[in-house]
Amino acid sequence: EMQLVESGGGLVPPGGSLRLSCAGSGFTFSSYAMSWVRQTPDKGLHWLSSISDSATTTYYADSVKGRFTITRDNSQNILYLQMNSLRAEDTALYYCAKDHFGGYGKFDLWGQGALVTVSS
Amino acid sequence: EIVLTQSPATLSLSPGERATLSCRASQSVNTYIAWYQQKPGQPPRLLIYDGSNRPTGIPARFSGSGSGTDFTLTISSLEPEDFAVYYCQQRSHWLFTFGPGTKVDI
Repeated sequence: EMQLVESGGGLVPPGGSLRLSCAGSGFTFSSYAMSWVRQTPDKGLHWLSSISDSATTTYYADSVKGRFTITRDNSQNILYLQMNSLRAEDTALYYCAKDHFGGYGKFDLWGQGALVTVSS
Repeated sequence: EIVLTQSPATLSLSPGERATLSCRASQSVNTYIAWYQQKPGQPPRLLIYDGSNRPTGIPARFSGSGSGTDFTLTISSLEPEDFAVYYCQQRSHWLFTFGPGTKVDI
C-alpha cells in the first residue's frame, strides 16, 4: 500500500524554525516529484513547494520563498520541509503529496498531515 | 496568480441524484485542472487530473470536462460516501492554486 507519513509538527514561537519530514512507502519514491501543501480553515488549500524526483529542481510559492526549503533523501525515501522565520500566518496543517507521473501539480497521494502552530 | 472560483458554495442533494460542480479560472489554464474530494479529518483525494482523466481506482461516476477557464465536475449518481467537499486546482502556472471548495451535502 502506498503511504506518506508526516512528522515534525508542533508548537513554535514566531521567528522560530521547524523541520517537517515525510516518509514514503509502497512506491518507488525516487521516481516521483513531491510537494508540500498546507491547509487552514480560513484560507483553504495552499501549495507551498515542489521538488523534482532527482532533487535537482525546486519551486516555491512567493509566500514561503527564502524562508522554507524543500529537500529529499531518496536513499531513505524521505521528503523534508525546513521552515525558518515562522510567522503566525504559517499556522496550518501541512501535507506532503506525491505528484502523479508525468509532471507537477497532480497530487495523487497525500499524507495525513502535520499540524504546525506558530504562537508565543 | 490564477484565482479559481467554485460554484455553488454548497450543493444540497440526495443519494442517486446528479451533482454538477463548477470551477472558473481567472485566466486560461488550458486543461490543467484537477479535482479533489475531501472528507472531514482526511486529506484530499485526487479524482480527476488534466481536466478529464481519472486516476486508477476512481469510480466512473466521477467525470470532468472543460478547457480554458470553465470546468465542470459531474457525479452522475451520488453515493452516500460522495457527500464531501470538492476542490479544483490548476497546475497551468506556477504557483499552483486551489479553489475555495464546494460542499456537497445531503
